Amino acid sequence: EVQLVESGGGLVQPGRSLKLSCAASGFTFSNYYMAWVRQAPKKGLEWVATISTSGSRTYYPDSVKGRFTISRDNAKSSLYLQMNSLKSEDTATYYCARHGSLGYIAWYFDYWGQGVMVTVSS
Amino acid sequence: DVVLTQSPATLSVTPGERISLSCRASESVDTYLHWYQQKPNESPRLLIKYASQSISGIPSRFSGSGSGTDYTLAISSLQPEDVATYFCQKYYSGPLTFGSGTKLEIK
Repeated sequence: EVQLVESGGGLVQPGRSLKLSCAASGFTFSNYYMAWVRQAPKKGLEWVATISTSGSRTYYPDSVKGRFTISRDNAKSSLYLQMNSLKSEDTATYYCARHGSLGYIAWYFDYWGQGVMVTVSS
Repeated sequence: DVVLTQSPATLSVTPGERISLSCRASESVDTYLHWYQQKPNESPRLLIKYASQSISGIPSRFSGSGSGTDYTLAISSLQPEDVATYFCQKYYSGPLTFGSGTKLEIK
């Protein structure tokens, strides 16, 4: 069974940093592109970052480019999101998600974690 | 960037009813359009990929159709457990984005 379990969320002050983690199991982690998607309270979904199978390629929307960094450790089947210079508008539930195809990128998500809440407030 | 517009924003429905949810793109997304279901307090779940391709484990009452700019998610006979918000999503001509969602409520 595919499982994605996020951790590392919490309350953080504006301008500070936070690092999220996602522990994957039930599939060969190194074979899949992975992503982070967030959802502000009572709002819609926003893609935040994607990383290739090896970690050599990363993709971001303009809203977080330069502030967020996605990374992975295939030996540990773990995905990370380093978030710097946090703003109040980054307050959201952050989901770890698996891209839909084996070995190459398909731009949809076939498995999602349960999410972790990040609150940016003074 | 291509914008996805979902309608209606909220739909009040009766169990057993057939419903159609709309997702319209501001320009063609060439069937690179996917649908998700998010039940209250749960994570999203993939329902349909590439506009009309079914997903293993998803009930057959869910189907997708469309091309170009206009896409539809249909539920053939609504069940009480289908109460959820439904999102469309694209990655074509610009960044990956989601529609704003259609929330289904039971009458």
